[in-house]
Amino acid sequence: NAGVMQNPRHLVRRRGQEARLRCSPMKGHSHVYWYRQLPEEGLKFMVYLQKENIIDESGMPKERFSAEFPKEGPSILRIQQVVRGDSAAYFCASSPVGQGGQPQHFGDGTRLSIL
Amino acid sequence: AQSVAQPEDQVNVAEGNPLTVKCTYSVSGNPYLFWYVQYPNRGLQFLLKYITGDNLVKGSYGFEAEFNKSQTSFHLKKPSALVSDSALYFCAVRDIAGANNLFFGTGTRLTVIP
Repeated sequence: NAGVMQNPRHLVRRRGQEARLRCSPMKGHSHVYWYRQLPEEGLKFMVYLQKENIIDESGMPKERFSAEFPKEGPSILRIQQVVRGDSAAYFCASSPVGQGGQPQHFGDGTRLSIL
Repeated sequence: AQSVAQPEDQVNVAEGNPLTVKCTYSVSGNPYLFWYVQYPNRGLQFLLKYITGDNLVKGSYGFEAEFNKSQTSFHLKKPSALVSDSALYFCAVRDIAGANNLFFGTGTRLTVIP
Protein backbone atom coordinates (compact mmCIF):
# COMPACT_ATOMS: atom_id res chain seq x y z
CA ASN A 1 0.00 0.00 0.00
CA ALA A 2 1.66 3.18 -1.18
CA GLY A 3 -0.79 5.43 0.62
CA VAL A 4 -0.50 7.41 3.82
CA MET A 5 -0.17 4.98 6.70
CA GLN A 6 -1.38 5.81 10.18
CA ASN A 7 -1.14 3.69 13.27
CA PRO A 8 -2.66 2.68 15.45
CA ARG A 9 -6.11 2.80 13.89
CA HIS A 10 -7.72 2.86 17.31
CA LEU A 11 -6.16 4.00 20.57
CA VAL A 12 -7.71 3.93 24.01
CA ARG A 13 -6.15 5.90 26.84
CA ARG A 14 -7.14 6.81 30.37
CA ARG A 15 -7.19 10.40 31.47
CA GLY A 16 -3.68 11.60 32.27
CA GLN A 17 -1.88 9.13 30.01
CA GLU A 18 0.07 9.95 26.89
CA ALA A 19 -1.06 9.24 23.34
CA ARG A 20 1.35 8.83 20.44
CA LEU A 21 -0.02 8.80 16.92
CA ARG A 22 2.18 7.87 13.99
CA CYS A 23 2.02 8.78 10.33
CA SER A 24 4.12 7.62 7.42
CA PRO A 25 3.54 9.80 4.35
CA MET A 26 3.17 8.55 0.82
CA LYS A 27 6.41 7.63 -0.87
CA GLY A 28 8.02 10.73 -2.26
CA HIS A 29 6.02 13.11 -0.07
CA SER A 30 7.96 15.30 2.31
CA HIS A 31 5.12 17.49 3.60
CA VAL A 32 2.87 16.24 6.39
CA TYR A 33 -0.27 17.77 7.85
CA TRP A 34 -2.24 16.75 10.93
CA TYR A 35 -5.97 17.39 11.28
CA ARG A 36 -8.49 16.61 14.00
CA GLN A 37 -12.08 15.62 13.36
CA LEU A 38 -14.70 15.74 16.07
CA PRO A 39 -17.91 13.72 15.58
CA GLU A 40 -20.16 15.14 12.87
CA GLU A 41 -17.70 17.94 12.14
CA GLY A 42 -15.22 18.77 9.43
CA LEU A 43 -11.49 18.48 9.78
CA LYS A 44 -9.61 21.18 11.65
CA PHE A 45 -5.99 21.88 10.82
CA MET A 46 -3.47 21.33 13.59
CA VAL A 47 0.08 21.40 12.28
CA TYR A 48 2.13 21.32 9.08
CA LEU A 49 5.60 19.82 9.02
CA GLN A 50 8.42 19.09 6.65
CA LYS A 51 11.32 16.84 7.50
CA GLU A 52 12.82 18.06 10.78
CA ASN A 53 10.86 21.33 10.65
CA ILE A 54 7.55 22.59 11.95
CA ILE A 55 6.30 25.01 9.33
CA ASP A 56 2.92 26.01 10.76
CA GLU A 57 1.52 25.00 14.14
CA SER A 58 -1.20 27.63 14.32
CA GLY A 59 -3.89 25.00 14.88
CA MET A 60 -2.18 23.19 17.72
CA PRO A 61 -3.40 23.65 21.28
CA LYS A 62 -0.79 25.56 23.25
CA GLU A 63 -0.36 22.90 25.88
CA ARG A 64 0.01 19.12 25.91
CA PHE A 65 0.21 18.74 22.12
CA SER A 66 3.41 18.41 20.12
CA ALA A 67 4.42 17.09 16.71
CA GLU A 68 7.59 16.08 15.01
CA PHE A 69 8.72 14.74 11.66
CA PRO A 70 12.26 13.42 12.08
CA LYS A 71 14.76 12.88 9.32
CA GLU A 72 14.17 9.16 9.58
CA GLY A 73 10.88 7.55 10.50
CA PRO A 74 7.27 8.60 10.71
CA SER A 75 5.74 11.83 11.87
CA ILE A 76 4.52 11.68 15.46
CA LEU A 77 1.65 13.58 17.05
CA ARG A 78 2.00 13.42 20.81
CA ILE A 79 -0.68 14.30 23.32
CA GLN A 80 0.39 14.41 26.94
CA GLN A 81 -1.93 14.06 29.93
CA VAL A 82 -4.94 13.34 27.77
CA VAL A 83 -8.40 14.58 28.74
CA ARG A 84 -11.86 13.48 27.62
CA GLY A 85 -12.04 16.37 25.17
CA ASP A 86 -9.11 14.92 23.22
CA SER A 87 -11.35 12.09 22.01
CA ALA A 88 -11.51 12.50 18.25
CA ALA A 89 -10.27 11.11 14.96
CA TYR A 90 -6.83 12.36 14.05
CA PHE A 91 -5.93 12.38 10.39
CA CYS A 92 -2.59 12.76 8.73
CA ALA A 93 -2.19 13.95 5.16
CA SER A 94 0.82 14.31 2.93
CA SER A 95 1.72 16.09 -0.28
CA PRO A 96 4.80 16.14 -2.48
CA VAL A 97 5.16 19.91 -2.26
CA GLY A 98 3.79 22.54 0.06
CA GLN A 99 2.86 25.17 -2.48
CA GLY A 100 0.69 24.85 -5.51
CA GLY A 101 -2.51 23.00 -6.11
CA GLN A 102 -1.34 19.52 -5.23
CA PRO A 103 -4.07 17.71 -3.30
CA GLN A 104 -3.29 16.35 0.11
CA HIS A 105 -3.63 12.59 0.47
CA PHE A 106 -5.10 11.32 3.71
CA GLY A 107 -4.55 8.29 5.85
CA ASP A 108 -7.40 6.36 7.44
CA GLY A 109 -6.91 8.11 10.74
CA THR A 110 -6.39 7.19 14.37
CA ARG A 111 -9.50 7.17 16.51
CA LEU A 112 -8.53 8.19 20.00
CA SER A 113 -10.87 7.38 22.85
CA ILE A 114 -10.25 8.68 26.36
CA LEU A 115 -11.78 6.77 29.23
CA ALA B 1 -9.71 34.68 6.67
CA GLN B 2 -10.65 31.51 4.86
CA SER B 3 -13.85 29.56 5.35
CA VAL B 4 -16.09 27.04 3.67
CA ALA B 5 -19.83 26.62 4.02
CA GLN B 6 -21.75 23.50 3.16
CA PRO B 7 -25.33 24.60 3.79
CA GLU B 8 -26.87 21.13 3.72
CA ASP B 9 -26.05 18.61 6.42
CA GLN B 10 -27.94 15.91 4.55
CA VAL B 11 -28.85 15.34 0.90
CA ASN B 12 -31.09 12.48 -0.20
CA VAL B 13 -31.43 11.51 -3.84
CA ALA B 14 -32.94 8.56 -5.67
CA GLU B 15 -30.62 6.22 -7.50
CA GLY B 16 -30.22 7.28 -11.11
CA ASN B 17 -31.17 10.89 -10.44
CA PRO B 18 -28.69 13.76 -10.67
CA LEU B 19 -27.13 14.93 -7.43
CA THR B 20 -25.74 18.25 -6.26
CA VAL B 21 -23.82 18.93 -3.07
CA LYS B 22 -23.39 22.63 -2.40
CA CYS B 23 -20.31 24.51 -1.29
CA THR B 24 -19.51 28.20 -0.96
CA TYR B 25 -16.19 29.59 0.13
CA SER B 26 -14.49 32.73 1.33
CA VAL B 27 -10.84 33.61 0.79
CA SER B 28 -9.03 36.91 0.63
CA GLY B 29 -7.29 36.05 -2.63
CA ASN B 30 -7.73 33.39 -5.28
CA PRO B 31 -8.75 29.90 -4.19
CA TYR B 32 -7.64 26.39 -4.68
CA LEU B 33 -10.78 24.28 -4.19
CA PHE B 34 -11.11 20.59 -3.44
CA TRP B 35 -13.76 17.95 -2.90
CA TYR B 36 -13.13 14.90 -0.76
CA VAL B 37 -15.32 11.93 0.12
CA GLN B 38 -15.21 10.01 3.39
CA TYR B 39 -16.57 6.52 3.88
CA PRO B 40 -17.22 5.16 7.39
CA ASN B 41 -14.08 4.70 9.47
CA ARG B 42 -11.87 5.77 6.60
CA GLY B 43 -9.82 8.82 5.72
CA LEU B 44 -10.71 11.43 3.16
CA GLN B 45 -10.41 10.39 -0.45
CA PHE B 46 -9.61 13.07 -3.04
CA LEU B 47 -12.27 13.51 -5.74
CA LEU B 48 -11.36 16.60 -7.71
CA LYS B 49 -9.83 20.06 -7.57
CA TYR B 50 -10.06 23.47 -9.15
CA ILE B 51 -6.79 25.32 -9.62
CA THR B 52 -7.24 27.48 -12.67
CA GLY B 53 -8.65 27.32 -16.16
CA ASP B 54 -11.95 25.74 -17.14
CA ASN B 55 -14.62 26.35 -14.54
CA LEU B 56 -16.00 22.83 -14.93
CA VAL B 57 -13.67 20.23 -13.53
CA LYS B 58 -14.11 16.49 -13.77
CA GLY B 59 -12.94 14.05 -11.18
CA SER B 60 -13.13 10.49 -9.98
CA TYR B 61 -16.18 8.20 -10.17
CA GLY B 62 -18.09 10.46 -12.59
CA PHE B 63 -18.16 13.47 -10.28
CA GLU B 64 -17.68 17.00 -11.51
CA ALA B 65 -17.78 20.44 -9.97
CA GLU B 66 -18.35 23.92 -11.29
CA PHE B 67 -16.35 26.88 -10.05
CA ASN B 68 -18.36 30.10 -9.99
CA LYS B 69 -16.24 33.04 -8.98
CA SER B 70 -19.05 35.59 -8.81
CA GLN B 71 -21.07 33.37 -6.48
CA THR B 72 -17.97 32.03 -4.70
CA SER B 73 -19.36 28.54 -5.13
CA PHE B 74 -17.95 25.15 -6.03
CA HIS B 75 -20.89 22.76 -6.13
CA LEU B 76 -20.27 19.04 -6.61
CA LYS B 77 -22.44 17.26 -9.17
CA LYS B 78 -23.03 13.89 -10.73
CA PRO B 79 -25.49 13.19 -13.55
CA SER B 80 -26.68 9.83 -12.22
CA ALA B 81 -26.32 8.83 -8.58
CA LEU B 82 -25.33 5.35 -7.44
CA VAL B 83 -26.14 3.75 -4.10
CA SER B 84 -22.38 3.37 -3.60
CA ASP B 85 -22.05 7.17 -3.71
CA SER B 86 -23.63 7.33 -0.26
CA ALA B 87 -20.96 8.87 1.97
CA LEU B 88 -19.84 12.08 3.67
CA TYR B 89 -18.59 14.77 1.31
CA PHE B 90 -16.27 17.60 2.27
CA CYS B 91 -15.44 20.77 0.39
CA ALA B 92 -12.09 22.40 1.17
CA VAL B 93 -10.36 25.63 0.21
CA ARG B 94 -6.90 27.04 0.32
CA ASP B 95 -5.89 30.59 -0.53
CA ILE B 96 -3.27 30.47 -3.29
CA ALA B 97 -1.17 33.03 -1.46
CA GLY B 98 -2.00 31.84 2.03
CA ALA B 99 -1.18 29.01 4.36
CA ASN B 100 -0.64 25.51 3.05
CA ASN B 101 -3.31 23.87 5.14
CA LEU B 102 -6.84 23.24 3.95
CA PHE B 103 -9.99 24.74 5.44
CA PHE B 104 -12.85 22.27 5.42
CA GLY B 105 -16.60 22.61 5.46
CA THR B 106 -18.59 20.66 8.02
CA GLY B 107 -19.54 18.03 5.49
CA THR B 108 -22.69 16.88 3.72
CA ARG B 109 -24.00 13.39 4.17
CA LEU B 110 -25.26 12.06 0.85
CA THR B 111 -27.73 9.19 0.88
CA VAL B 112 -28.67 7.58 -2.41
CA ILE B 113 -31.95 5.71 -2.12
CA PRO B 114 -32.32 2.54 -4.18
